[in-house]
Amino acid sequence: DGGITQSPKYLFRKEGQNVTLSCEQNLNHDAMYWYRQDPGQGLRLIYYSQIVNDFQKGDIAEGYSVSREKKESFPLTVTSAQKNPTAFYLCASTVTGASNQPQHFGDGTRLSIL
Amino acid sequence: QKEVEQDPGPLSVPEGAIVSLNCTYSNSAFQYFMWYRQYSRKGPELLMYTYSSGNKEDGRFTAQVDKSSKYISLFIRDSQPSDSATYLCAMSRILSGYALNFGKGTSLLVTP
Repeated sequence: DGGITQSPKYLFRKEGQNVTLSCEQNLNHDAMYWYRQDPGQGLRLIYYSQIVNDFQKGDIAEGYSVSREKKESFPLTVTSAQKNPTAFYLCASTVTGASNQPQHFGDGTRLSIL
Repeated sequence: QKEVEQDPGPLSVPEGAIVSLNCTYSNSAFQYFMWYRQYSRKGPELLMYTYSSGNKEDGRFTAQVDKSSKYISLFIRDSQPSDSATYLCAMSRILSGYALNFGKGTSLLVTP
């Protein structure tokens, strides 16, 4: 059945290492988003993409990179430049157009530092 | 001032009580308003989605939007222990590709 799949559920990063979080959707949604959730801070926007081969920075893009080569996939790379990467990362998607529809979320990836 | 303010709680109520959750916002450009429920270690699950001022009802849930006061509410009737979760308000605007601005979330505990 349709949905958003994030993998892995848990990820550990060593100092100086880049890691990539996967987000795949089979909902035929145009737009995809990455959010970061920290305790007591709510969700904050990292990057978003409304169409293949195009993406925009969100509020906290520093230390992160993304790509959108396929409609169904929007991977997020946490680079070594991100000094405080420990958080819960959530991917979301939605259709776009004249009638805005709400975003639906995956079940997240929890990233920790070794 | 954050664009979306939400009291983090925690809020504890007995089973069967009516729960009222609220958010205020400062940016009048927000057009779409949502309530999500999030269980521990899971992604947010959409509960309610509204566009205009007024009330929207779905089962035990009622969402209320007052754009003139920049205030939104979620009411849960006949609360159940399974309603125990964190409730997130969110709102979006056409700019920023309809990306969501979230409140910090309110932690709710419904005790049997």
